[in-house]
Amino acid sequence: QVQLVQSGAEVKKPGASVKVSCKASGYTFTGYYMHWVRQAPGQGLEWMGWINPNSGGTNYAQKFQGRVTMTRDTSISTAYMELSRLRSDDTAVYYCARENIAAAGTGDYWGQGTLVTVSS
Amino acid sequence: EIVLTQSPGTLSLSPGERATLSCRASQSVSSSYLAWYQQKPGQAPRLLIYGASSRATGIPDRFSGSGSGTDFTLTISRLEPEDFAVYYCQQYGSSPLFGGGTKVEIK
Repeated sequence: QVQLVQSGAEVKKPGASVKVSCKASGYTFTGYYMHWVRQAPGQGLEWMGWINPNSGGTNYAQKFQGRVTMTRDTSISTAYMELSRLRSDDTAVYYCARENIAAAGTGDYWGQGTLVTVSS
Repeated sequence: EIVLTQSPGTLSLSPGERATLSCRASQSVSSSYLAWYQQKPGQAPRLLIYGASSRATGIPDRFSGSGSGTDFTLTISRLEPEDFAVYYCQQYGSSPLFGGGTKVEIK
């Protein structure tokens, strides 16, 4: 069965960076794009970008360009999302989501989420 | 940039009733690249509908989507207790984005 297991909660100071991992199992990791979506406390969903695990190619939302880096390690079927120069409004749950092959841009399987708290 | 506006913000209904949720786009959504998700507290979103009207794998047929252009609707024909949740629409063209959500709560 398809599973996406994310790394644990993080607490970071403003200005620091955070790197969240997403380990995939139950399918061919390089066959599906991986998206990252975040959700601030009590707020809606915000798309951050995707990575093509096969080529390493990425597409970031304009809002995060220059601050976000998505990478992958195909040897361990794991995708990463690193966000730099953290601010308090980056406090959110960060999700990875496997792209639905029937509708590129949608996510059919999601990780459990990783809470990132930015606080001095 | 497209803006998705969902209405109402909150829908108060009883189990067994019909729920109709709206998602309006500020400009036409190409090729009906419109999806719906359900999210329960403390859980990740769950894909319900893509392509405006195609149900995702394993989604019960009480969920249906319709619409095109700028106006889209998610209908839950008869609410089950597990359907009370927040629902988001998403356009998934080149730069995916989500609407603000509609909360379906028990009346």
